[in-house]
Amino acid sequence: EAQVTQNPRYLITVTGKKLTVTCSQNMNHEYMSWYRQDPGLGLRQIYYSMNVEVTDKGDVPEGYKVSRKEKRNFPLILESPSPNQTSLYFCASSVSGGSEQFFGPGTRLTVL
Amino acid sequence: RKEVEQDPGPFNVPEGATVAFNCTYSNSASQSFFWYRQDCRKEPKLLMSVYSSGNEDGRFTAQLNRASQYISLLIRDSKLSDSATYLCATRGDTGRRALTFGSGTRLQVQP
Repeated sequence: EAQVTQNPRYLITVTGKKLTVTCSQNMNHEYMSWYRQDPGLGLRQIYYSMNVEVTDKGDVPEGYKVSRKEKRNFPLILESPSPNQTSLYFCASSVSGGSEQFFGPGTRLTVL
Repeated sequence: RKEVEQDPGPFNVPEGATVAFNCTYSNSASQSFFWYRQDCRKEPKLLMSVYSSGNEDGRFTAQLNRASQYISLLIRDSKLSDSATYLCATRGDTGRRALTFGSGTRLQVQP
């Protein structure tokens, strides 16, 4: 089954404790992206990757890191999480940046 | 001004009603257009792409008005299961080649 998976689905952590949210897709997509979704603000792109070893900032990259060592995986790293990073996070993949995005199930992160 | 704007709603309509949402975009160079559906706390899923000539998929019709820079979604014969948030998305002509999403319009279909 074609899908995007994310783990963990739910995470409660404390300020400053490094965490990684994994994302994997099995559709051989070139383009992968991370979004955060907050009430009233919609989906905002954090980072994106056009291909392996090619990543770049989206609209709200501060406080986040990503890597793309393999085509299928695109982890999101919060080196020192803060409460303003409490949000719902979605990973997405697509054939290209402007084509249909396939979303993972989301990760609900709470930073205390 | 936001690049993509939607009325947040909620739109409360009875079953069987016809309802329409608009989504305005500010970038006249926007190319691809999409409507996504998002159920509460779940991931957005593509409902339909929007083509220049307009397109229909069952009870759903999407239209693009480039002159006024908006896209629309019409839902006929609303079902309870149509209750969700509808997000529009556009692709601007940027190097990032990313989709920009609106904040969504919430629809609640009532029995």
